[in-house]
Amino acid sequence: SQELEQSPQSLIVQEGKNLTINCTSSKTLYGLYWYKQKYGEGLIFLMMLQKGGEEKSHEKITAKLDEKKQQSSLHITASQPSHAGIYLCGAESMNRDDKIIFGKGTRLHILP
Amino acid sequence: EPEVTQTPSHQVTQMGQEVILRCVPISNHLYFYWYRQILGQKVEFLVSFYNNEISEKSEIFDDQFSVERPDGSNFTLKIRSTKLEDSAMYFCASSVAGGTGELFFGEGSRLTVL
Repeated sequence: SQELEQSPQSLIVQEGKNLTINCTSSKTLYGLYWYKQKYGEGLIFLMMLQKGGEEKSHEKITAKLDEKKQQSSLHITASQPSHAGIYLCGAESMNRDDKIIFGKGTRLHILP
Repeated sequence: EPEVTQTPSHQVTQMGQEVILRCVPISNHLYFYWYRQILGQKVEFLVSFYNNEISEKSEIFDDQFSVERPDGSNFTLKIRSTKLEDSAMYFCASSVAGGTGELFFGEGSRLTVL
């Protein structure tokens, strides 16, 4: 079965600094999703990447997909307290088996 | 903005009791999902549901679990005889197009089994 490995597991960053979170898949990626989860709450969709080399941005968050390496990275520029939370990458496999599986998440803390 | 709503937000139950978690997906969505998250662990897929039947289920979704769409709006997850290890946050999600589209998640129902 497909596994998603996220790194780092946890990240503490000073407000205003940039940061990057990585997600690596054990199998070929068909679609890669980034979600954010605030502690104890539901998941909020950030963006979806489908094509190799694709890059998308939403406000100060940019995500890229390296299909050959089966990896995606999420980059936050000039981090703010509102960015704190758990970032989850999710993927659907080439089997298109009607589900998204998630990585364990990266916990991001922003220091004021 | 349309949203997925879940009830109850928190339920405490005795081991062996039946539990029903309820979800109201977004009205024009056709695909429905249940995920669970044990405290401190990852969000795990349980089951997907489309056209009034299960389209896929995980190993976690054994005979103790069932899903139902009893009417045009609700989507329920039933656990027949709860175990301690069923304690988790259960998330309902829905999407317009299964497999490739954005999943909209509810806020979750926290189940505590004593």
